[in-house]
Amino acid sequence: EDKVVQSPLSLVVHEGDTVTLNCSYEVTNFRSLLWYKQEKKAPTFLFMLTSSGIEKKSGRLSSILDKKELFSILNITATQTGDSAIYLCAVDGNKLVFGAGTILRVKS
Amino acid sequence: GAGVSQSPSNKVTEKGKDVELRCDPISGHTALYWYRQSLGQGLEFLIYFQGNSAPDKSGLPSDRFSAERTGGSVSTLTIQRTQQEDSAVYLCASSLGGTHYYEQYFGPGTRLTVT
Repeated sequence: EDKVVQSPLSLVVHEGDTVTLNCSYEVTNFRSLLWYKQEKKAPTFLFMLTSSGIEKKSGRLSSILDKKELFSILNITATQTGDSAIYLCAVDGNKLVFGAGTILRVKS
Repeated sequence: GAGVSQSPSNKVTEKGKDVELRCDPISGHTALYWYRQSLGQGLEFLIYFQGNSAPDKSGLPSDRFSAERTGGSVSTLTIQRTQQEDSAVYLCASSLGGTHYYEQYFGPGTRLTVT
């Protein structure tokens, strides 16, 4: 059965800290790994990763995929209170499977 | 509209009743997805529509759940004989499909509470 596991489940940091969120997976017919940020109810798309070792970057956020070890990390540098959210990892195999998410809280 | 819309935003129903949840995707998006998110759980895929192709219903948890998409646009998710474990936020998303399938735009969701 396809599985996506995220860690940590929750994290509290202070503004300016750097955080690393983890996503490991077991899926058949891997196509891509996706990161979303969920505030309130609706997730918003962050990154899609398909190839190992190629970093995707958007502002203070970056992500990389390791297809050999079956995991991805999402880094956020110089965190701000607006980064507080649930970060969801999803893997597209035979269907899209989401992890339970990491709850990030950034304190001012 | 500019984004995906869903209605109602909240629905409280008694166990055993049927409910219908509506999703209006972004105009021009050929792909439409339904998910549900239970308390403390990740998003759970339910069903996927792509253009005129037969929908992928592999995520529907039981035969009490069904969905249709009329005219390639609006979709309705129906839950018959609701149970308390159906209580969740039901999210709809749409995308351009094809090579842009991954960039899904989510609606605000419908919070369903079965009492």
